[in-house]
Amino acid sequence: QLQLQESGPGLVKPSETLSLTCTVSGGSITSFSYYWGWIRQTPGKGLEWIGSVYYSGTTYYNPSLKSRLTISLDTFKNQFSLSLSSVTAADTAVYYCARPLSGFYYVFDYWGQGTLVTVSS
Amino acid sequence: SYELTQPLSESVALGQTARITCEGYNIGSKDVHWYLQRPGQAPVLVIYRDTKRPSGVPERLSGSKSEDTATLTITRAQVVDEADYYCQVWDSRTGVFGRGTKLTVL
Repeated sequence: QLQLQESGPGLVKPSETLSLTCTVSGGSITSFSYYWGWIRQTPGKGLEWIGSVYYSGTTYYNPSLKSRLTISLDTFKNQFSLSLSSVTAADTAVYYCARPLSGFYYVFDYWGQGTLVTVSS
Repeated sequence: SYELTQPLSESVALGQTARITCEGYNIGSKDVHWYLQRPGQAPVLVIYRDTKRPSGVPERLSGSKSEDTATLTITRAQVVDEADYYCQVWDSRTGVFGRGTKLTVL
């Protein structure tokens, strides 16, 4: 059974970089069939697709976040990561890592439980 | 940017049929996907590509679409169907979500 688990700091200061890691168990992130992605959720904006990465390293990013965003893979650890720079209070959200359906990079059928990240000094 | 419009809330009597709509310009030309989310939990995909159900999703849930409206239909509504429901499409190189509809089963 595929499982995903987010980890990382729950509190980040404004202007700093938010970094999260997703550990995948029960499946390999090097599978050619799947992308791996991040989504966030806020009371104000609702659900927002952040971006997705393929085992080859190919990435798709939300254009509104692209200038601040990096999503990468660590195949040895079977993890993928999110890095969002220059954060503001607007980046406060529950962040989910997830695996999309085969053939998609933005429709997700396996989700982590989510982790709350608060941006505050 | 592309917008998907959902009613904030809907209610349905136990055992009856609920319909949750998702409106967007020319949505008929896009693949529409639906998620449910229960309090404190991650979203769950219940419909993809307008009408397809992932394994494990009951046949009581179904999707349909016209030119400007997609609809998630839940027949024989049960208490377990109480949740927030979100529609999603791909537009302008990003996955766009609706703001969600809270379904209450009375």
